[in-house]
Amino acid sequence: DGGITQSPKYLFRKEGQNVTLSCEQNLNHDAMYWYRQDPGQGLRLIYYSQIVNDFQKGDIAEGYSVSREKKESFPLTVTSAQKNPTAFYLCASSISAGWYNEQFFGPGTRLTVL
Amino acid sequence: KQEVTQIPAALSVPEGENLVLNCSFTDSAIYNLQWFRQDPGKGLTSLLLIQSSQREQTSGRLNASLDKSSGRSTLYIAASQPGDSATYLCAVRPEAGTALIFGKGTTLSVSS
Repeated sequence: DGGITQSPKYLFRKEGQNVTLSCEQNLNHDAMYWYRQDPGQGLRLIYYSQIVNDFQKGDIAEGYSVSREKKESFPLTVTSAQKNPTAFYLCASSISAGWYNEQFFGPGTRLTVL
Repeated sequence: KQEVTQIPAALSVPEGENLVLNCSFTDSAIYNLQWFRQDPGKGLTSLLLIQSSQREQTSGRLNASLDKSSGRSTLYIAASQPGDSATYLCAVRPEAGTALIFGKGTTLSVSS
């Protein structure tokens, strides 16, 4: 069953902690993306990766970090430098960053700062 | 900078009605446009993808049109059903290899 999985579904962070959100896909897609969604807002791009071992900052990368060591995995770390991390985080992938690039999304992780 | 706007922010209709959701974008030089559906607390489901060279795409009761020159796209939903209740998001890709830029969505409620 092909798709994108995100874990955990809910995550709670204390002030000053780093947390890592998992995103895995078995679609054999080259490109992967992380978005943040706040209530009443559109999705905003945090980071994206077009290929293994390569990634680019999006519009709101400050306070976040990523890695892309494997094609199927694109974990997002929310660091203590991110001052307002409470949000819904969505991971996405597309077959490539090129011509046919319909984007597919995972189910999301809701992060709450205590 | 490309901006995407969706109006109205919310829409309520009775079951069976045909309806149109609107999406506008400020820069007509786009690579493609994608419509998504999002149920509360869930991820996004891709509905339709329109390449810049296309005028429309259809899937079942859904039809999406694209007019690049005017910076507009519409999503037409025929014979609406309560199960269509969700938030509908429009997103444009400025160039190949770039990520999507999203509107804030239209929340649709279909009453039985």
